[in-house]
Amino acid sequence: KQEVTQIPAALSVPEGENLVLNCSFTDSAIYNLQWFRQDPGKGLTSLLLIQSSQREQTSGRLNASLDKSSGRSTLYIAASQPGDSATYLCAVQPGGSYIPTFGRGTSLIVHP
Amino acid sequence: NAGVTQTPKFRVLKTGQSMTLLCAQDMNHEYMYWYRQDPGMGLRLIHYSVGEGTTAKGEVPDGYNVSRLKKQNFLLGLESAAPSQTSVYFCASSYGAQDRKYSYEQYFGPGTRLTVT
Repeated sequence: KQEVTQIPAALSVPEGENLVLNCSFTDSAIYNLQWFRQDPGKGLTSLLLIQSSQREQTSGRLNASLDKSSGRSTLYIAASQPGDSATYLCAVQPGGSYIPTFGRGTSLIVHP
Repeated sequence: NAGVTQTPKFRVLKTGQSMTLLCAQDMNHEYMYWYRQDPGMGLRLIHYSVGEGTTAKGEVPDGYNVSRLKKQNFLLGLESAAPSQTSVYFCASSYGAQDRKYSYEQYFGPGTRLTVT
């Protein structure tokens, strides 16, 4: 059974720092990996989707990498801003399954 | 494009009452999902559908029923609400495997906050 772990569970950084959020998964037979952002009381917003054949995806200040062989993905946020404060979740789509597996998320606070 | 919409946004039920949550998507997605999100538990899959007329059980299906009579709609029913069903409910949808470039990319609705007293 696929398990997805996100460490740390919570992170507090000063504005301007570059930071890395981690997502690890136990089964490397994945179809894709998706990173989401969730603001308090809101739904999940898709940030980046990495197909299993890709190594990374970039959108603005965000860069997500994927290393299937080691079962890891990282979300890099450059020059963090208070508006980046949110919970970040990763979800793995196992190969041959309709059902994604979600991590519990990393709660990020960027303070001015 | 409205994306994924959920109705209602908030609801308070008494124990034993019934209700239906509606999820609608306008992206012609094949797959639709119902999740619940509770503090400390993460997202848990209740039921899902891989096409019009199909439904399947997820991780926590007990106490819920679903129907997908139209491709764009996925309904979640609570026949006899219990306090343990107090939660935030999210609907999501995605393309099926036939669209390989975008398949399984999940789009979420804004959620329904349900309280059962």
